[in-house]
Amino acid sequence: GENVEQHPSTLSVQEGDSAVIKCTYSDSASNYFPWYKQELGKRPQLIIDIRSNVGEKKDQRIAVTLNKTAKHFSLHITETQPEDSAVYFCAASKGSGGYQKVTFGIGTKLQVIP
Amino acid sequence: DTAVSQTPKYLVTQMGNDKSIKCEQNLGHDTMYWYKQDSKKFLKIMFSYNNKELIINETVPNRFSPKSPDKAHLNLHINSLELGDSAVYFCASSQVPENYGYTFGSGTRLTVV
Repeated sequence: GENVEQHPSTLSVQEGDSAVIKCTYSDSASNYFPWYKQELGKRPQLIIDIRSNVGEKKDQRIAVTLNKTAKHFSLHITETQPEDSAVYFCAASKGSGGYQKVTFGIGTKLQVIP
Repeated sequence: DTAVSQTPKYLVTQMGNDKSIKCEQNLGHDTMYWYKQDSKKFLKIMFSYNNKELIINETVPNRFSPKSPDKAHLNLHINSLELGDSAVYFCASSQVPENYGYTFGSGTRLTVV
């Protein structure tokens, strides 16, 4: 089955600096890679996603890159703000027999220091 | 309008009791899921239903029984609760077969004492 590795598990950055979280996956059939942000005590929320036919996607201060050959994808947050502090999860997904098989990474706790 | 709603938000109960968690989505999604999030924040899939049919049943004790009366509802019943069942349980929904992101419910924090 799919195996998603995510690192680092914790990340502290100064406000205004950039943060990068990296994930690798094992199943070359995975074709959809969402990222979720979970603030303390809240639900995970989809913040950005990328499909296997795209190499990079950007939405304001966040961007995601995908290298299909190397089977890794990354989340980049620029100009970090205290409200970016949260746990971030990557995931790899593939359609299979009419349903979606999603494997999550273990999460990265990001702390933005004011 | 809450897209995926779960009740209750908190549940404190004694070992050995039976409890249920309810989930409803108004997004028109075909597929619903139950995830367990432990104290280390890992999200572990438990069950997945597509149009009321069970399609994923991970290695979960048979004390856990999901029920989907229609594609907008997915409930989770837990028998003979154990201390190790304490966790946050999230319901989620998505639209398949196209891959789309999940919409999660607000979670149910279950504490077994």
